[in-house]
Amino acid sequence: GAGVSQSPSNKVTEKGKDVELRCDPISGHTALYWYRQSLGQGLEFLIYFQGNSAPDKSGLPSDRFSAERTGGSVSTLTIQRTQQEDSAVYLCASSPHLGTGETQYFGPGTRLLVL
Amino acid sequence: KNQVEQSPQSLIILEGKNCTLQCNYTVSPFSNLRWYKQDTGRGPVSLTIMTFSENTKSNGRYTATLDADTKQSSLHITASQLSDSASYICVVSNYGGSQGNLIFGKGTKLSVKP
Repeated sequence: GAGVSQSPSNKVTEKGKDVELRCDPISGHTALYWYRQSLGQGLEFLIYFQGNSAPDKSGLPSDRFSAERTGGSVSTLTIQRTQQEDSAVYLCASSPHLGTGETQYFGPGTRLLVL
Repeated sequence: KNQVEQSPQSLIILEGKNCTLQCNYTVSPFSNLRWYKQDTGRGPVSLTIMTFSENTKSNGRYTATLDADTKQSSLHITASQLSDSASYICVVSNYGGSQGNLIFGKGTKLSVKP
């Protein structure tokens, strides 16, 4: 079956604009995760969903970041009033269930560049 | 502080040679350790996962080891191929932690040359 897909694959935006990043998880996967990968840095956890619920939003770097998941499937990560330091690759992953023993399947990422 | 340190940062080897990548962690309590392979421009792909009681796990030419006492892991690649060129990421999970407690290393960038 299809893997995790993300769109757009690349996004260039001007500082101050809002952007929406989309993640389509593997069908049937109840857990969904968002990460950020900056150049030369390790992956930084942002938020996870169990179904449509996001119990822990403490990983979001600022209140300009928000995420939602509807219908237990597609998720959207929104960054408002983008800043240059938001430039990074945003990766989405899904797993069949929630749990540290579950393997996460990653999408190809969205490369965001804020000018 | 929970940390995962990987070494070397980057490595260049000739095709056909073996190599070993290192991962040291200070994560506690420990749940499991994963190695991921990330090709350029792609998302990471899981290679191995090991729990506290496992000290070795193989996936084809990839063999991971875990020493939970010294909190060290290694990933050994045998008979390297050009397609092994990628970043290899070590990830450690907290036992009972939230999903935010997946601690990622910065990765080792491996280049296999012909």
